[in-house]
Amino acid sequence: AQSVSQHNHHVILSEAASLELGCNYSYGGTVNLFWYVQYPGQHLQLLLKYFSGDPLVKGIKGFEAEFIKSKFSFNLRKPSVQWSDTAEYFCAVKGGGSYIPTFGRGTSLIVHP
Amino acid sequence: KAGVTQTPRYLIKTRGQQVTLSCSPISGHRSVSWYQQTPGQGLQFLFEYFSETQRNKGNFPGRFSGRQFSNSRSEMNVSTLELGDSALYLCASSLIQGGETQYFGPGTRLLVL
Repeated sequence: AQSVSQHNHHVILSEAASLELGCNYSYGGTVNLFWYVQYPGQHLQLLLKYFSGDPLVKGIKGFEAEFIKSKFSFNLRKPSVQWSDTAEYFCAVKGGGSYIPTFGRGTSLIVHP
Repeated sequence: KAGVTQTPRYLIKTRGQQVTLSCSPISGHRSVSWYQQTPGQGLQFLFEYFSETQRNKGNFPGRFSGRQFSNSRSEMNVSTLELGDSALYLCASSLIQGGETQYFGPGTRLLVL
């Protein structure tokens, strides 16, 4: 079965620091990759997604992610975080002909002003 | 366009009772998926409905069931509640079965005492 690992469970940064959240998955075939964000008290929303093409994907609010097939990774990055980026971030993967996305356990990001 | 709505938003039940949660997808979306979110397990897929038929099912006991109506609205039922069923239950809609992008509702937070 597909599995998704988010190595950083809790990340604390100061404003303007750079962010990189790791995401690794287990399936070696064609995959669709997603990053979702859940701001405090709000619903889960899509940050960005990768289906094919350019492995560097740009999303909303200055986030980007790079798909590295050889490393089974889809890490999320932002060059300069803001206090408003404080949220829970989830990586999700669909693959192997399955319609069902597998989610990682999430990374809690706290940004200090 | 209105987003995914879920009712009720909060619910308190006692062990042994049953509960029904409701989800209205985005207008025009025909697929509804349900997830259970807990701090320890993250997001776990429950089931997906499309055209009033369950298309995919996650690894949950038979106490968890659902249905979808002709207007694509969906309900989820949990019978004989257990303490471990306390969680945030999320509904997500997409245009088609296994749709590439899911849109999540705010969730129903269930507390079982």
